[in-house]
Amino acid sequence: DGGITQSPKYLFRKEGQNVTLSCEQNLNHDAMYWYRQDPGQGLRLIYYSQIVNDFQKGDIAEGYSVSREKKESFPLTVTSAQKNPTAFYLCASSVPRDRGTDTQYFGPGTRLTVL
Amino acid sequence: RKEVEQDPGPFNVPEGATVAFNCTYSNSASQSFFWYRQDCRKEPKLLMSVYSSGNEDGRFTAQLNRASQYISLLIRDSKLSDSATYLCVVSGFQKLVFGTGTRLLVSP
Repeated sequence: DGGITQSPKYLFRKEGQNVTLSCEQNLNHDAMYWYRQDPGQGLRLIYYSQIVNDFQKGDIAEGYSVSREKKESFPLTVTSAQKNPTAFYLCASSVPRDRGTDTQYFGPGTRLTVL
Repeated sequence: RKEVEQDPGPFNVPEGATVAFNCTYSNSASQSFFWYRQDCRKEPKLLMSVYSSGNEDGRFTAQLNRASQYISLLIRDSKLSDSATYLCVVSGFQKLVFGTGTRLLVSP
């Protein structure tokens, strides 16, 4: 049963702590993405990776870091440098555009709250 | 100007009504267009891709007007289960750009 999984579903963090959000996919997709969504706002791109061992900053990368050591996994670390980390974090994957499509499929999301 | 603009709504319609949403985009080089549906506190899910010739999937019809740079979604015979936020999505350089969504509320 192919899909994208994210864990945990809910995460609470104290100020000053780093936390890592997990994203795994078994769709054999090359590209993976991280977004955050705030109430009443659209999705904003944090980081993306078109291929293993390579990733690029999105529109709001400050205070976040990622790694892409395996095709299936794209973890996101929210560091203490992120000033307003409370948000809904969504991971997505796709077959890159040069293969004819860039439809993105989303995981169920992680809701992060900073206490 | 935002890259993708949508009327946030909400659009309140009775069951059985026909409702249409529009979306405008600023990047004339965009090649791919989509409508996603997002339920409250859930992830977005692909509703349909939008093709230049227009396309239909059951009660849903999507149209693309490249000259005017807008995309539309028409929902016929609205169901209670259609209540959700509909996101207009347009391709950019190596990424997709999401609109903030149009909220639809279908009432009995």
